[in-house]
Order: sequence, then structure tokens, then C-alpha cells
Amino acid sequence: EAGVTQFPSHSVIEKGQTVTLRCDPISGHDNLYWYRRVMGKEIKFLLHFVKESKQDESGMPNNRFLAERTGGTYSTLKVQPAELEDSGVYFCASSVVRGFSSGNTIYFGEGSWLTVV
Amino acid sequence: AQSVTQPDIHITVSEGASLELRCNYSYGATPYLFWYVQSPGQGLQLLLKYFSGDTLVQGIKGFEAEFKRSQSSFNLRKPSVHWSDAAEYFCAVAPRSNDYKLSFGAGTTVTVRA
Repeated sequence: EAGVTQFPSHSVIEKGQTVTLRCDPISGHDNLYWYRRVMGKEIKFLLHFVKESKQDESGMPNNRFLAERTGGTYSTLKVQPAELEDSGVYFCASSVVRGFSSGNTIYFGEGSWLTVV
Repeated sequence: AQSVTQPDIHITVSEGASLELRCNYSYGATPYLFWYVQSPGQGLQLLLKYFSGDTLVQGIKGFEAEFKRSQSSFNLRKPSVHWSDAAEYFCAVAPRSNDYKLSFGAGTTVTVRA
């Protein structure tokens, strides 16, 4: 069974450009999460989807970030326009049910490394 | 304020030696506790978790962690380190009320020397 897949694995863009990161969760996982680790900081929660619905987007840093999950399958995270401080690694994760209760596991992808120059 | 602290940024250990990684948390109530590992080129992998019960938790790859409520700590240990254990290790917590929302420590990078 395929794990959580993220594209691209690495990208380098100039300040002011737009980047779109994609996440394909494990098949059948209704819950999808985005986290990020910017340089020198901890990994931080960004938002949580249940199917196509945003349940919690309290971690989104500002309105330059837009996450979507059309059809409740894959998700995209767009950064427009990108700033230098957006450089870091963006992790996607998915799970069957929300959180860790009932023995549920949240599976993480390998991350998308973003460098803004 | 809620926080997760990993005091050691970088640890170097000899292959075959024991390893202990420290984690302290500050939360209103005991949260769920986790250790994740990220090996080079890999995603975050769950090593072990603590929800309740026995305070000594066994995980994958020979790791264990001990929850100490009095010290608000959840330290990770391995008796004998292998070269493949070189990686970055993250302690994480999640509040029981919103247990999908992990808060991570800054991470500890482990280097294993031959």
C-alpha cells in the first residue's frame, strides 16, 4: 500500500513567485493534515481537512497560504507570493479517523522542501 | 504557555553505546506523548506513543521511552545504538481534547560514530 506522497520533493523559487505543493494521502484516509518546519523552528501544525472540508486552519500563517482538497482526495497547498521566510519543509499527513484516539495512527509523508531565494 | 523542549540539539554517540534523548513538556494536563524519527530522505516515522497506563513504553527499532509525570518528561532511550539510528528525533505532544494537533520539539540530531 502506498504511503502519503508529496510533490515536489524539492523546489527552489524566487521571492514573489507562486508554488503549489501537492499531497496524496493514503487511499481511504478522510483526514489530511499539513505541517511545516521553517528554518530554525519547530514543526508546526497548519491545518486539518476531513474529506474536502477544512476543520481547523488555525495554524495557517497568513493569507498568502491557500490549502484545498477538492473532492476529498489529494490536497494542494499554494503559497502566493512566496517570501524568504517561507523556506522550509512542508509535511503532509493522513489518517483514517481524526487524531490518535481508538488506536488510530497518523502517517506522515516525506515532506516537500521549499527554498525561496 | 504550552511547550515542548528538547534540550539537546545534537548528540554524538558511538555505535553500540546507549542513547538517551530528553524531552520535557509544559501543558495544563498530561497530553498524549510521542517520539518521531526522520532519517535522511525519509518522512516522519512514529517510534512510540504514550496515552495512559504503564509509564515505560516500548516502540519500534528497539526504542523505549519513560513517562515521568512529576518531571513532565518523556525521555527516549535505546540500550545499544546502530549506525542506522543516525537521524533527527522529535518529541511531540497532543492535547487530549484536540489530539490531531501535534506540537513538536525542536528536534535532536543524532550522529553515530563507528
